[in-house]
Amino acid sequence: NAGVTQTPKFRILKIGQSMTLQCTQDMNHNYMYWYRQDPGMGLKLIYYSVGAGITDKGEVPNGYNVSRSTTEDFPLRLELAAPSQTSVYFCASSLRETGELFFGEGSRLTVL
Amino acid sequence: GQNIDQPTEMTATEGAIVQINCTYQTSGFNGLFWYQQHAGEAPTFLSYNVLDGLEEKGRFSSFLSRSKGYSYLLLKELQMKDSASYLCAVRDSNYQLIWGAGTKLIIKP
Repeated sequence: NAGVTQTPKFRILKIGQSMTLQCTQDMNHNYMYWYRQDPGMGLKLIYYSVGAGITDKGEVPNGYNVSRSTTEDFPLRLELAAPSQTSVYFCASSLRETGELFFGEGSRLTVL
Repeated sequence: GQNIDQPTEMTATEGAIVQINCTYQTSGFNGLFWYQQHAGEAPTFLSYNVLDGLEEKGRFSSFLSRSKGYSYLLLKELQMKDSASYLCAVRDSNYQLIWGAGTKLIIKP
């Protein structure tokens, strides 16, 4: 069981570039999330999804987009990267009934 | 607004006991979670409380008082590997998790 897999682990972007962070889970979880974590801070919710075809904004959605075409995949798109998007990004999944989140290993993004 | 407070940093000695507190004010309550996060790694689940009282799991215990909006995580027989950040998170009425900033626990020999 792979759990939650996210790629890439590290990426450096130039200002204005775009990229997609990939996230896949093989636990058949209906809920999926994207968080960002800045140094010494807690997790901030960017977007979440309660099932295929359904997405919703979290606390800090500006500058990001998501899609959920399948139960397994939940990619995060960064358009026109800005230095403020330098952060560690975590994808996570859960079953609504339990709420325990299972996290991917994280993607460290630097925008220069 | 919704708010979760926990101390920024704590220091304890190997073999001792430490209590990490968490107070919360949220729109509704559907459970409180504690996660452990080692530096450079993803958070991992430690405990879940939805009813008042103490939940014990090995060296770790978590307590909840819903009337006081208060929880604590108790770590016994501290080991060096317990050096990590401990994140408190509350699930609100919309089943969304509200996260505290985390408590960095430093264990000294």
